[in-house]
Amino acid sequence: EPEVTQTPSHQVTQMGQEVILRCVPISNHLYFYWYRQILGQKVEFLVSFYNNEISEKSEIFDDQFSVERPDGSNFTLKIRSTKLEDSAMYFCASSAGITGELFFGEGSRLTVL
Amino acid sequence: GESVGLHLPTLSVQEGDNSIINCAYSNSASDYFIWYKQESGKGPQFIIDIRSNMDKRQGQRVTVLLNKTVKHLSLQIAATQPGDSAVYFCAENLKTSYDKVIFGPGTSLSVIP
Repeated sequence: EPEVTQTPSHQVTQMGQEVILRCVPISNHLYFYWYRQILGQKVEFLVSFYNNEISEKSEIFDDQFSVERPDGSNFTLKIRSTKLEDSAMYFCASSAGITGELFFGEGSRLTVL
Repeated sequence: GESVGLHLPTLSVQEGDNSIINCAYSNSASDYFIWYKQESGKGPQFIIDIRSNMDKRQGQRVTVLLNKTVKHLSLQIAATQPGDSAVYFCAENLKTSYDKVIFGPGTSLSVIP
């Protein structure tokens, strides 16, 4: 069964460092998303991406964040200068169309020290 | 803005009983509602969805009910099994932002064997 894969599963970084989280969406999907989940809290929307550009973003997704689809398979989230409050689980998701049926990866846990 | 929320943070049910998880929303522009299940250490998994022009939809052992008058959504799980233990999120799309799925805070369901 096709699945969304994410790497790394866990990254520990120092405050102020740049982090890149990587995702391989399901191959025939056209819409890509990043969400984050702070431990024990709800799943927060960060950004959606379609046709090589951002289609929606939340207030959380400020200038420190960027997304990119550098090739035909990867979808990345970059945090330029990490803060302590960026510590969270980051989930990538993809969907075939504009639908609420998103397919999520297992997540990348980011710990900022 | 975000409008999806949940009445109860935790729910414990006996194996074999039916479970009902409730969700309230406040935005009249919400057009499409989705239920997700998140097992420990995993990403959210789509369960079932319902559009605002429907009031009931059934899947395998699950039923979603939508009451637009009181802006209330529920997920009913029949014959709850230990494998149903997870956090359940209701989520919504607005008519104006179909590629932005917003999650509510989640209800933790524990099934007692």
